[in-house]
Amino acid sequence: KAGVTQTPRYLIKTRGQQVTLSCSPISGHRSVSWYQQTPGQGLQFLFEYFSETQRNKGNFPGRFSGRQFSNSRSEMNVSTLELGDSALYLCASSDTTRMGDTQYFGPGTRLTVL
Amino acid sequence: AQSVSQHNHHVILSEAASLELGCNYSYGGTVNLFWYVQYPGQHLQLLLKYFSGDPLVKGIKGFEAEFIKSKFSFNLRKPSVQWSDTAEYFCAVNALRDDKIIFGKGTRLHILP
Repeated sequence: KAGVTQTPRYLIKTRGQQVTLSCSPISGHRSVSWYQQTPGQGLQFLFEYFSETQRNKGNFPGRFSGRQFSNSRSEMNVSTLELGDSALYLCASSDTTRMGDTQYFGPGTRLTVL
Repeated sequence: AQSVSQHNHHVILSEAASLELGCNYSYGGTVNLFWYVQYPGQHLQLLLKYFSGDPLVKGIKGFEAEFIKSKFSFNLRKPSVQWSDTAEYFCAVNALRDDKIIFGKGTRLHILP
């Protein structure tokens, strides 16, 4: 099976802009989670979608949003970008109904906000 | 609030040395525990996990971890490291009641050849 794919791999934006990141899970996986990875904070959970519904949400402002489509592909949107949003955004998929099972990570999207 | 602490941010060892990376969590209920590894230039991947049963779990590449419930710890061990173990290691805890996964901030392991 193909792994988790994320597009684009690299992105440069300026403050105030918005950005949309895409994630395609492993075929058959219905759970998709998003994480923000920074050197200072490590991996922080953003949200998780299962069967097009947001099941869990981390402690991020409302500027961060997401959605999942019927084919399990997911998008993450960040509006009104701030410098502090510069990070590696990771997507992970899982084939179980519980979030606590093994997650398979994609390569990430490196977002730089200038 | 739940938290996961990895005591060592950066560890440097010589090949054949023994390794132990600490992980402690703060949550009183039932948990699932994970160690993930990120090799240079590669995706984050699962090293091992504990859900229930034998508290000593074995993972890939000779790694093992021991869950000590009374100490809220899940330390990662390897008796003899190799240069190829150079990577960043993340401990993660899933608190079943909340069904969220919290990651530690990671430990960068550098093995000298």
